[in-house]
Amino acid sequence: AQKVTQAQTEISVVEKEDVTLDCVYETRDTTYYLFWYKQPPSGELVFLIRRNSFDEQNEISGRYSWNFQKSTSSFNFTITASQVVDSAVYFCALSERSGGGADGLTFGKGTHLIIQP
Amino acid sequence: DVKVTQSSRYLVKRTGEKVFLECVQDMDHENMFWYRQDPGLGLRLIYFSYDVKMKEKGDIPEGYSVSREKKERFSLILESASTNQTSMYLCASSFPRAGTEAFFGQGTRLTVV
Repeated sequence: AQKVTQAQTEISVVEKEDVTLDCVYETRDTTYYLFWYKQPPSGELVFLIRRNSFDEQNEISGRYSWNFQKSTSSFNFTITASQVVDSAVYFCALSERSGGGADGLTFGKGTHLIIQP
Repeated sequence: DVKVTQSSRYLVKRTGEKVFLECVQDMDHENMFWYRQDPGLGLRLIYFSYDVKMKEKGDIPEGYSVSREKKERFSLILESASTNQTSMYLCASSFPRAGTEAFFGQGTRLTVV
């Protein structure tokens, strides 16, 4: 069965610090997809990134970067020079190819990130 | 802008009431989902639907049912609300391709008293 673990329940840093959110996953499929979502206080989950299992290239988007390592089954998310607006709950999620996209995402329990001014 | 709209942000219902949570999407997505979010538990899938009138149980379907009479609308039904169903409910939709991202509504915070 698939599983996503986000061991960090809550992280608090001071603005401008770099912060890394950890995500470890388990799956038996060779084809799968990993996601990161952001949930600000307003409640709506916002899609940040998707990675498929055949693409281990790291990605950078502005202050955000993602490190995908199949060898350790990890898909970590780093925010560089954090800002107060980054404060949110961040979810890592997994989808397996065998589900055809129709059986939903398996989410981690989320990491509550607090950026203090 | 793509949109998933849930009919209520906040609801307070009494134990034993029948409760309807409504969700509408305007992206012509085949797939629709209902999740429940609880502190320390993350998001858990209640039900999903991959076509009109089709539904599949998720991880925690007990106490819930769903209805999808039109492609754009997916309803979650609590047949007899109980206090342990007090939670945040999130609706989502997506295309049926594997690996496609899901789009979420703003959530409905349901309190059962």
